[in-house]
Amino acid sequence: ILNVEQSPQSLHVQEGDSTNFTCSFPSSNFYALHWYRWETAKSPEALFVMTLNGDEKKKGRISATLNTKEGYSYLYIKGSQPEDSATYLCDLSGGSYIPTFGRGTSLIVHP
Amino acid sequence: EAQVTQNPRYLITVTGKKLTVTCSQNMNHEYMSWYRQDPGLGLRQIYYSMNVEVTDKGDVPEGYKVSRKEKRNFPLILESPSPNQTSLYFCASKSERVAGDTQYFGPGTRLTVL
Repeated sequence: ILNVEQSPQSLHVQEGDSTNFTCSFPSSNFYALHWYRWETAKSPEALFVMTLNGDEKKKGRISATLNTKEGYSYLYIKGSQPEDSATYLCDLSGGSYIPTFGRGTSLIVHP
Repeated sequence: EAQVTQNPRYLITVTGKKLTVTCSQNMNHEYMSWYRQDPGLGLRQIYYSMNVEVTDKGDVPEGYKVSRKEKRNFPLILESPSPNQTSLYFCASKSERVAGDTQYFGPGTRLTVL
């Protein structure tokens, strides 16, 4: 089973800062990469699904890119707000991957 | 409404008393999975199922059993719970017919084993 790696494990930023974190994978033999947002005491919710090298997705201040040739996806948050505080997870589906999550990146945005 | 349901949502039990946490989805999904969440460790997969009567171990299967007799249900069984199984448990499902489908999560079950 191939696993994804996420970095950093945790991140503290000030309100208004922009930030990004990484999901890396050893093989591009998958169909889709998924980003999830997971708030404390709630269930993970899907943010983005990306399938093609060079894919870029955007939802408000949050965007994501996919580079299958170099084996990573970035999630960007522009102008972080306290309500962005959550754990952000990625996983892959199809191909060599059984859906499984890494530890995620825990983002805390300080007012 | 498309959803994944789990029961119970909260459970306090004692060591050794068998328990079952139910998971049901109404989306006709082939894939179902159980995860546990512990502080600092993210989501760790316990067992998963690719379809009826097809189950396999995840990363942390010890002390757990599952069954998949029907497509919609995927119960998690703790035959003899121990305190180290105190955790927050999530069930999830997704379609294998829709390539790249995201996982849909249940609301979670908080289990405490005394």
